[in-house]
Amino acid sequence: DSGVTQTPKHLITATGQRVTLRCSPRSGDLSVYWYQQSLDQGLQFLIQYYNGEERAKGNILERFSAQQFPDLHSELNLSSLELGDSALYFCASSVGAHSGNTIYFGEGSWLTVV
Amino acid sequence: SQQGEEDPQALSIQEGENATMNCSYKTSINNLQWYRQNSGRGLVHLILIRSNEREKHSGRLRVTLDTSKKSSSLLITASRAADTASYFCATVLTGGGNKLTFGTGTQLKVEL
Repeated sequence: DSGVTQTPKHLITATGQRVTLRCSPRSGDLSVYWYQQSLDQGLQFLIQYYNGEERAKGNILERFSAQQFPDLHSELNLSSLELGDSALYFCASSVGAHSGNTIYFGEGSWLTVV
Repeated sequence: SQQGEEDPQALSIQEGENATMNCSYKTSINNLQWYRQNSGRGLVHLILIRSNEREKHSGRLRVTLDTSKKSSSLLITASRAADTASYFCATVLTGGGNKLTFGTGTQLKVEL
């Protein structure tokens, strides 16, 4: 158990809908990351927050948004969902934001768009 | 886009044998990390090696890094059926903060 908690574990929704994925980082970790894993794109970095502030942005679609709250938990909002958004979404956390900090991953949220 | 390419894509060995997986990357890195993923599960951090290190050990794992060749290898000695998983290398690029760029992964199957 990495200590990173993600909910829900599985989610099935229809195209055009909006979903929210939730993440609680490991105790003491200030940095949160979101990754997407799909068969065609592999593991892709989406976005990073550090202590409530956006720190780095990757291949995140405009239909997607995220935030980190004062209690350090984070949410990833996915809207206007398309079939191609079906993937495993990972949240990860680390103590700091700089390189060299080990990043620990949660078990992921399986999203299926039908 | 993928930073790293892993070789082989799939590897099947017998229990007790050693497994070697290779990772190549394209640009200057700060560090390289290896992760394991059991089927459809979360990523488990195995080892981190910094760009100024050449070799690192952790239990049955041995990781090497050759920055001149932009490559790394992961050796699992005396493999067990429980080692069956996908293994990913991930790089933190120089000046890239702490975000990981993952390779394509190697699927390892250890048979009894």
